[in-house]
Amino acid sequence: QSALTQPASVSGSPGQSITITCTGTSSDVGRYNYVSWYQQHPGKAPNLMIYDVTQRPSGVSNRFSGSKSGNTASLTISGLQAEDEAHYYCSSYTSSSTWVFGGGTKLTVL
Amino acid sequence: QVQLVESGGGVVQPGGSLRLSCSASGFTFSSYGMHWVRQAPGKGLEWVSFIPYDGNNKYYADSVKGRFTISRDNSKNTLYLQVNSLRPEDTAVYYCAKDRVPYSGGWHPPDYWGQGILVTVSS
Repeated sequence: QSALTQPASVSGSPGQSITITCTGTSSDVGRYNYVSWYQQHPGKAPNLMIYDVTQRPSGVSNRFSGSKSGNTASLTISGLQAEDEAHYYCSSYTSSSTWVFGGGTKLTVL
Repeated sequence: QVQLVESGGGVVQPGGSLRLSCSASGFTFSSYGMHWVRQAPGKGLEWVSFIPYDGNNKYYADSVKGRFTISRDNSKNTLYLQVNSLRPEDTAVYYCAKDRVPYSGGWHPPDYWGQGILVTVSS
């Protein structure tokens, strides 16, 4: 159950777009379309932003979008806003019937 | 609205035990699987365990298998995590979280999360 691989940090200016990658294996990201993304602000519980690779829960801005190619999933945030500054975690269902998270990416809005 | 409230955390010595509870409201608890996820101080999220809506076929991360036991009481709308043989590396905020889809086998991600409860393992 090795953690999924995410960049430790990304940054962008307001209005720009950024992409966070999440690399797994053929036993998790590459095998299932059960990849999700969470946003976590300091001291708060995680908030589900994307599920099933591309789906947005009700209430999540359409500035957030997800995709997947092979063993790598991606989260793109367009039109960056100050409130997007947070940690982002990917997660995937695995062939062991468990879940695995990525190490997390700190997004800084410059 | 969905509310999940964890309790039962605290400071415990290595080798000790605790029972964490998660009281649920605002949804039909007996229809949804439930997860426990933890986060060590300053670190990332780590999935711990899942129990389906009916309490069968429980699943655990390798790091806690054999030491932690997940259970639920649908009559009390409460989720539990019995944590035994605690180690310093188990120190974390423990979150309970609701499965996104009812009656599923755990392949859907958690959507609503509690605010978490801190467990500190230290002598």
